[in-house]
Amino acid sequence: NAGVTQTPKFRVLKTGQSMTLLCAQDMNHEYMYWYRQDPGMGLRLIHYSVGEGTTAKGEVPDGYNVSRLKKQNFLLGLESAAPSQTSVYFCASTPSSGRAEQYFGAGTRLSVL
Amino acid sequence: GQQVMQIPQYQHVQEGEDFTTYCNSSTTLSNIQWYKQRPGGHPVFLIQLVKSGEVKKQKRLTFQFGEAKKNSSLHITATQTTDVGTYFCAGTTSYDKVIFGPGTSLSVIP
Repeated sequence: NAGVTQTPKFRVLKTGQSMTLLCAQDMNHEYMYWYRQDPGMGLRLIHYSVGEGTTAKGEVPDGYNVSRLKKQNFLLGLESAAPSQTSVYFCASTPSSGRAEQYFGAGTRLSVL
Repeated sequence: GQQVMQIPQYQHVQEGEDFTTYCNSSTTLSNIQWYKQRPGGHPVFLIQLVKSGEVKKQKRLTFQFGEAKKNSSLHITATQTTDVGTYFCAGTTSYDKVIFGPGTSLSVIP
């Protein structure tokens, strides 16, 4: 049972380039989340989804877009990367409610030069 | 806006000493969760507290949820090098919104 899988694990982008981060979970969870983690700031919610075909903005959504076309996948897109988006990105999922424990992926370390 | 704060930000302890981190919310919470993140790793769920005044133990770890459901603490007795990492609390608001605290980074000196 793989749990939550994120690809890629590392990426270096130049300013203005675009990329998509993929999150896949095999636990049949309804809720999925994208966070970014910066030193001293904990985990900040970018976007989340409460089910297939639905997405919603979190605390820091600007510069990011998401899609949840299939229940098991949650994609995070950066259309025009900026140095301020250098961060570690984590995907997480929960079974059915925002009150349940979150299962995290291993993270994607992104550097934007 | 709603905030969850943690103190201290960093803690260095000698192996065998006790450690406590405190979590405080600006609003009443439905529940609180605690996560541990090892250096270079991802957050891993430790426990969830739901009831006012609840106390739960996991071996050397003791978790408390305040009577007003606005604060929580994690206490580790006799720290070991395996306890190294960052401990996050995450509070769920009445609107089912989960807010993570900034974390407390624990270093254990052998």
